[in-house]
Amino acid sequence: GAVVSQHPSRVICKSGTSVKIECRSLDFQATTMFWYRQFPKKSLMLMATSNEGSKATYEQGVEKDKFLINHASLTLSTLTVTSAHPEDSSFYICSAQTALQETQYFGPGTRLLVL
Amino acid sequence: AQSVTQPDIHITVSEGASLELRCNYSYGATPYLFWYVQSPGQGLQLLLKYFSGDTLVQGIKGFEAEFKRSQSSFNLRKPSVHWSDAAEYFCAVGGYGNKLVFGAGTILRVKS
Repeated sequence: GAVVSQHPSRVICKSGTSVKIECRSLDFQATTMFWYRQFPKKSLMLMATSNEGSKATYEQGVEKDKFLINHASLTLSTLTVTSAHPEDSSFYICSAQTALQETQYFGPGTRLLVL
Repeated sequence: AQSVTQPDIHITVSEGASLELRCNYSYGATPYLFWYVQSPGQGLQLLLKYFSGDTLVQGIKGFEAEFKRSQSSFNLRKPSVHWSDAAEYFCAVGGYGNKLVFGAGTILRVKS
């Protein structure tokens, strides 16, 4: 149980385009989902907390207009990187928290490369 | 402030040897403690967690961890390491409904 999927697993796009990443909890309902960014050989950096049906809460220094987060249902959250630039290239990982709000289960990650 | 320290960036052990990965935390309330493992290019897999009760918790893949409140530690152990255990290990602390704070990670190398 507690499986989280992400799609796509990797994406290459041109500078200036937008990319959408989906995060789904497959076998449980997640009222809260989290989006992280991981730089090479670094730990995870929390970008934002997403609650179903409400606006996401962004961490300090994360541009909310650049990283759009939508959490439209209890099993789906999306991260859209708008007007992507090469510096946005990274590994993006989502997690979903169970209803008991105790444990986060992580997706497999999405590798984004912006050319 | 909440923080997690994993003092060892890299650890190398021989296959079949025992393993201990260190984790120290700072948290203002009752901590929820986690160990996750990440293989290259993959997401994080939950190994084990501690919320309350017995301070020695068992996880998947033969791992265990012991919560020591007096030392603010939550060290991960495995009695006999397998080559497939080579990965990066993250300790994390959080609380009810709160976001997780991660350590910097420890990369485990297993030599045959």
